[in-house]
Amino acid sequence: QSVLTQPPSASGTPGQWVTISCSGSNSNIGGNFVSWYQHLPGAAPKLLIYRNNKRPSGVPDRFSGSKSGTSASLAISGLRSEDEADYYCAVWDDSLSGPVFGGGTKLTVL
Amino acid sequence: QVTLRESGPALVKSTQTLTLTCTFSGFSLSTSGMCVSWIRQSPGKALEWLALIDWDDDKYYSTSLKTRLTISKDTSKNQVVLIMTNMDPVDTATYYCARIDRNHYYYGMDVWGQGTTVTVSS
Repeated sequence: QSVLTQPPSASGTPGQWVTISCSGSNSNIGGNFVSWYQHLPGAAPKLLIYRNNKRPSGVPDRFSGSKSGTSASLAISGLRSEDEADYYCAVWDDSLSGPVFGGGTKLTVL
Repeated sequence: QVTLRESGPALVKSTQTLTLTCTFSGFSLSTSGMCVSWIRQSPGKALEWLALIDWDDDKYYSTSLKTRLTISKDTSKNQVVLIMTNMDPVDTATYYCARIDRNHYYYGMDVWGQGTTVTVSS
């Protein structure tokens, strides 16, 4: 069981706006920067968000990240069928002295 | 262009030792801020971080697997090696290596290898 809690599933219809939450503690999200990853079946995970809300070049601005206290969120606007994937939050944990991943959220585009 | 590629045996037996190699290009692990991390995903499970080595040869391990893992680097060969001892069928997973560029992405893993699948037989 991960120290970061994500909902196991989320869903939306094309064009909708969806959010995925990630809850942690002071030793991880509360004091460090959060990253988000998209993991499509059969592919390598892809960095979507780093430093809480920054997008690497090439990531559409439909993806955005935010952090407040010990929680973080990933928002996807204008949902597309190709966004159907597993999404993971990750952050350095000071108590564990290493990165930790959330349990993952499976996003279904209806 | 930054690339990473994992290599190692596809099949190991219980109690054996697994050795995985991450061969990378497009950056140097002797450059300040650069790190390489190992992550795995067991079937139907979430991503799990395993180990990390940085430019200064500092090493970090998952607390739950610390006693079984050893990470090392060969800067001249652009390789990072992960050794996992006493393999068990629950260690069956796809193993990934990924780059961390702390200068830009903090601990965000910005480039990943395609992964290598390891099956542990009993």
